Amino acid sequence: TQLLEQSPQFLSIQEGENLTVYCNSSSVFSSLQWYRQEPGEGPVLLVTVVTGGEVKKLKRLTFQFGDARKDSSLHITAAQPGDTGLYLCAGDPSSNTGKLIFGQGTTLQVKP
Amino acid sequence: EPEVTQTPSHQVTQMGQEVILRCVPISNHLYFYWYRQILGQKVEFLVSFYNNEISEKSEIFDDQFSVERPDGSNFTLKIRSTKLEDSAMYFCASRYSPGGEQFFGPGTRLTVL
Repeated sequence: TQLLEQSPQFLSIQEGENLTVYCNSSSVFSSLQWYRQEPGEGPVLLVTVVTGGEVKKLKRLTFQFGDARKDSSLHITAAQPGDTGLYLCAGDPSSNTGKLIFGQGTTLQVKP
Repeated sequence: EPEVTQTPSHQVTQMGQEVILRCVPISNHLYFYWYRQILGQKVEFLVSFYNNEISEKSEIFDDQFSVERPDGSNFTLKIRSTKLEDSAMYFCASRYSPGGEQFFGPGTRLTVL
């Protein structure tokens, strides 16, 4: 069974601080997607990384896919209260069907 | 911008009753999925659907569950005889290709009493 371990599960920081969320597995994924989920709503896609070593930036968010495609990270620079939310990583385990395996999520709170 | 839609947003039912959850995937997408998320737990894969048939299903997706694409736009999940433990958020998702980006609907909150 393929698993994605996300850490930390909870993070509370002050506005302006930097943070990194990690997503790790012992399995290889053909791609990895990062989502943000608000309470009572569906996951909203932030980015997809496909190539080992790939780095993508979305404003103050930087996403990296590990060289071996087993891990990924999300780095937020100068966090703002609007970044508060649940961040999910989800990997595609190379099945023909494209199903996603989700991590347990990281709840981020950014205090003003 | 195209989006996945789901109805109803909240469904309350009695144990043992049948429920049908409805989804309209993004129009040019070919691969369709159902996931569920029990309160406080992670999102879990239930089933994938392509070319009018199930392509993969998880252990959760037992004989009580079925999916259907009755026309060119709707994608439904039926639970024949609901149990208390079926209470969860159910998300529909779609993508154009297996390696493409997967987009989720807003979810249906199912409450089984």
